[in-house]
Order: sequence, then structure tokens, then C-alpha cells
Amino acid sequence: DTEVTQTPKHLVMGMTNKKSLKCEQHMGHRAMYWYKQKAKKPPELMFVYSYEKLSINESVPSRFSPECPNSSLLNLHLHALQPEDSALYLCASSQEDFESYNEQFFGPGTRLTVL
Amino acid sequence: DQQVKQNSPSLSVQEGRISILNCDYTNSMFDYFLWYKKYPAEGPTFLISISSIKDKNEDGRFTVFLNKSAKHLSLHIVPSQPGDSAVYFCAASPGANSKLTFGKGITLSVRP
Repeated sequence: DTEVTQTPKHLVMGMTNKKSLKCEQHMGHRAMYWYKQKAKKPPELMFVYSYEKLSINESVPSRFSPECPNSSLLNLHLHALQPEDSALYLCASSQEDFESYNEQFFGPGTRLTVL
Repeated sequence: DQQVKQNSPSLSVQEGRISILNCDYTNSMFDYFLWYKKYPAEGPTFLISISSIKDKNEDGRFTVFLNKSAKHLSLHIVPSQPGDSAVYFCAASPGANSKLTFGKGITLSVRP
């Protein structure tokens, strides 16, 4: 298995809803990442987990809550989002821990729309 | 302040010819550089990387050149194929960690 999978592919939610995005990789990668990408913009880093511990939080609002239950899974819990949070949410993983040179391998993303 | 710049938003090339995609950076701490390709509705796909100890890295039709003194890198695709049509992102990271800073991307169109 050489890919990063993300579910769901599309998600529409209201501002009062609670939902979760899921990411999975079975490549034995030690670091996992959440990015947000708006249309015609580059991906922006949100969170990094290295060895299942949160290494980086790029000053992301608390309505986004990451979780790494084990080395293969990464979740992003969403609560009380705003319409401007609508974007493509990308998960990535890399073989070595965050403190190394590393190619990151991306999943297909979840297209989130907040109404 | 953009630390990784891809100044041309688009490039159109005839099939079989060379595509040259350029990228400039401003942060001297960057010493690992990567190129990603992205199709619509998909995540970025890693293409090729280069560390600052090299000035060239080649993988099949893809070659990345790094000019550290000019803080410039380029991706050459030879020969270009219609399936190469996509958005290409240049990214850079410092030596201490894997945090990637992406450029805005360039849309490559390869005409049959």
C-alpha cells in the first residue's frame, strides 16, 4: 500500500455542525500533516504530527482540532466552522520524522463546503 | 512576504518540446527543494527533489537544476507530453525540518 487515503471526498456542513475528516496511510511513515488549500492558492500547513505527537500548530483556530489515534491514522475534527473555512483539506505523510529531509506524499483531499 | 515565488502563472508548450518551469526563493535557510504536480480534484503528487549540496538531479524526463547563488531552481521536462498538463508547485524546506513552503504554482499546458 503506497498511498494516503482521505475520507470523505466531499463534505458539506452547516456552521453549527460537528464533523471529522479522516486520513490513513499504511506506509509506516512517521510524520503526518494537515494542509488547507484555497482555490488558486498553494497548500498552507495547519498541523504536523511526528511519532504521533503534535509537533507543529500553525496558529490554527481552535474550531479545528487534530487527533492522531495511532501511527497510521490522522483525524481533523471540525466544529463551529465559518464559510471562509471552505477549502480543500489535504493530508500528507512522510517517511522520516519531521526533523529530517523528507518528501511528503499527499492524499486526494476532502473538499469541504461550509454553509 | 512570499518566500517561494513562481512568477509565471502559466506556460504553454508543444508536445515533444522542452518545458522549463522556474522558481525563485528568498530564504537562505532553505536547502531542500521539491516539485509537485497537481491535477484538478487531486492532491499534489511528488515529482522530484534536490538538496543544496547538488546542482542537478535527474529522474527520467524530469530534471531539476539548482543555482544557490541566484536562489533559483528550474524543472525541465523533456520531451513534454499532453499528460504533463497540470499545475506544478515548487516547494522548499529548511535543513532543520520538513516544513514545506510552497510557491503559488504554474499551470502547464502541453498542446498535442
